[in-house]
Amino acid sequence: GNSVTQMEGPVTLSEEAFLTINCTYTATGYPSLFWYVQYPGEGLQLLLKATKADDKGSNKGFEATYRKETTSFHLEKGSVQVSDSAVYFCALMTNAGKSTFGDGTTLTVKP
Amino acid sequence: DAGITQSPRHKVTETGTPVTLRCHQTENHRYMYWYRQDPGHGLRLIHYSYGVKDTDKGEVSDGYSVSRSKTEDFLLTLESATSSQTSVYFCAISGLYQGTNTEAFFGQGTRLTVV
Repeated sequence: GNSVTQMEGPVTLSEEAFLTINCTYTATGYPSLFWYVQYPGEGLQLLLKATKADDKGSNKGFEATYRKETTSFHLEKGSVQVSDSAVYFCALMTNAGKSTFGDGTTLTVKP
Repeated sequence: DAGITQSPRHKVTETGTPVTLRCHQTENHRYMYWYRQDPGHGLRLIHYSYGVKDTDKGEVSDGYSVSRSKTEDFLLTLESATSSQTSVYFCAISGLYQGTNTEAFFGQGTRLTVV
């Protein structure tokens, strides 16, 4: 079956530090890849996505590139802010509409 | 924001009682999903639907059933609630855009406690 493995947390950074959260996947076919963010007490919301190999998704300073050769979709941000503190989920979706999520990585950014 | 509403938002129930959670969407999306979220397990798919009356099991479907009699509503039923079903339940929807699945849009969640 499909699976998503993401970097274990929690991750604690100082403001303006560089962020990387690793994500690798196993899937048949050519899934779409996503990063979602969850703030306390809320549902997940889309952060960025990529639908085919070599696509780069970007939003709010976050970026991730769909790497088919390494089956990876690592999340990066050059300078994190306190407001980026949240739980981040990597996910894939197959053409049949079925999603698989990673276990989530908790990010805390300190001033 | 995607039009997706879960009800109730919070519920406390006793072991052995049936419980139904409702998910309602106004987006006319084809796919609807029920997930549970537990510490250390991320999101796990319980059941999903790919159309009216078309449903399939996810990875943690035991003890749960679903029904989708209308495009907009997807019901999750715990036939006889157990303490292990204490969790936060999320409904999600997704559609198709130019032949490609869109991202999933999530509801606000239902916190269920089984005592």
